[in-house]
Amino acid sequence: KQEVTQIPAALSVPEGENLVLNCSFTDSAIYNLQWFRQDPGKGLTSLLLIQSSQREQTSGRLNASLDKSSGRSTLYIAASQPGDSATYLCAVRLTGTASKLTFGTGTRLQVTL
Amino acid sequence: NAGVTQTPKFRVLKTGQSMTLLCAQDMNHEYMYWYRQDPGMGLRLIHYSVGEGTTAKGEVPDGYNVSRLKKQNFLLGLESAAPSQTSVYFCASSFLPGSPLHFGNGTRLTVT
Repeated sequence: KQEVTQIPAALSVPEGENLVLNCSFTDSAIYNLQWFRQDPGKGLTSLLLIQSSQREQTSGRLNASLDKSSGRSTLYIAASQPGDSATYLCAVRLTGTASKLTFGTGTRLQVTL
Repeated sequence: NAGVTQTPKFRVLKTGQSMTLLCAQDMNHEYMYWYRQDPGMGLRLIHYSVGEGTTAKGEVPDGYNVSRLKKQNFLLGLESAAPSQTSVYFCASSFLPGSPLHFGNGTRLTVT
């Protein structure tokens, strides 16, 4: 059974810092991995999707990497801003599963002034 | 530019009551999903649909039923609500199974 872990559960950084969020998964036979952002009381917003054949994806100040062999993905946020404060979740889709996404429980990020 | 819309946003039920949650998407997506989110447990898949007229069980389907009579709508029903179904319910859709998921803003359900 695929398990997805995100550590730490919460993180507080001052504005302007670069930071890395971690996502670990137990089954390396993944189809893709997706990073989401969730604001309080809202749904999830897709940030980046990395296919299993890719090593990284970039969007603006965000960069996500994937290392299947070690079962890890990282989300790098450059020059953090207070508006980046949210919970960040990763989700893994296994090969051969049309619909099954396994979510981590998220890292709650707070960027302080 | 509505995306995925869920109704209602909030609901309180008494044990044994029934209700239907509605999800509507305007992106012509084939795949639709219902998840529940509980503290410390992440999101868990309840049921999903790979196209109009199809439904399938997810990870935690017991106590729920679904229907996809129209491509743009996916309904989640609770026939006899239980306190264990207190949760936040999210609907999501995608064009292909490997495409990015688009989520609604959720329905917060409390069963007393």
